[in-house]
Amino acid sequence: QVQLQESGPGLVKPSQTLSLTCTVSGDSISSGNYYWSWVRQPAGEGLEWIGRVYTSGSTSYNPSLKSRVTISLDTSKNEFSLRLTSVTAADTAVYYCARGAGGSTFDSWGQGTLVTVSS
Amino acid sequence: DIQLTQSPSFLSASEGDRVTITCRASQGISTYLVWYQQKPGKAPKLLIYAASTLQSGVPSRFSGSGSGTEFTLTISSLQPEDFATYYCQQLSSYPITFGQGTRLEIK
Repeated sequence: QVQLQESGPGLVKPSQTLSLTCTVSGDSISSGNYYWSWVRQPAGEGLEWIGRVYTSGSTSYNPSLKSRVTISLDTSKNEFSLRLTSVTAADTAVYYCARGAGGSTFDSWGQGTLVTVSS
Repeated sequence: DIQLTQSPSFLSASEGDRVTITCRASQGISTYLVWYQQKPGKAPKLLIYAASTLQSGVPSRFSGSGSGTEFTLTISSLQPEDFATYYCQQLSSYPITFGQGTRLEIK
């Protein structure tokens, strides 16, 4: 059974870069069967799709974040990463990594990690 | 972007009740719709995909229907573990978008 686990700093200063990693176990991100996505959720609010990466390295991003987001794969470590630059308080949220079957049906999720943007 | 509007946003019901949540899309999305359940402090859990296909392991009291712009999630007989927030999501076009959520609470 696949498991996903987010890791990274829980506190980021305004204007700096948020960096998170999702480590995948129980499945190979190189298998080509799935897309690998990031989704975030501000406290008490709904879900926002950030973007995704495919085995080939091709990416798709939410236009609302596209200028600030990079999602990449590290197949040697079986993990994928999120970088979000120039963060503000509005980027404070729980960040989830997720596996997308059929592209974007998220059938497995990490537990989520809270990232707070504050000085 | 395709907007998804869920109704109601809040629902109070009792154990054993039959409840229906609606998700309306701002434009046609065929059956490219997914439903998730989320409990406090937990990640969302996939319930239904392709508008009406039950994910493996999900109880049969959950069902989904619809196509185009209107979709429903029905729980036939509420169990204590069903009290949670439910989200719809479309994967017809990018960016992927979610409904605002329906919070289901115990009456």
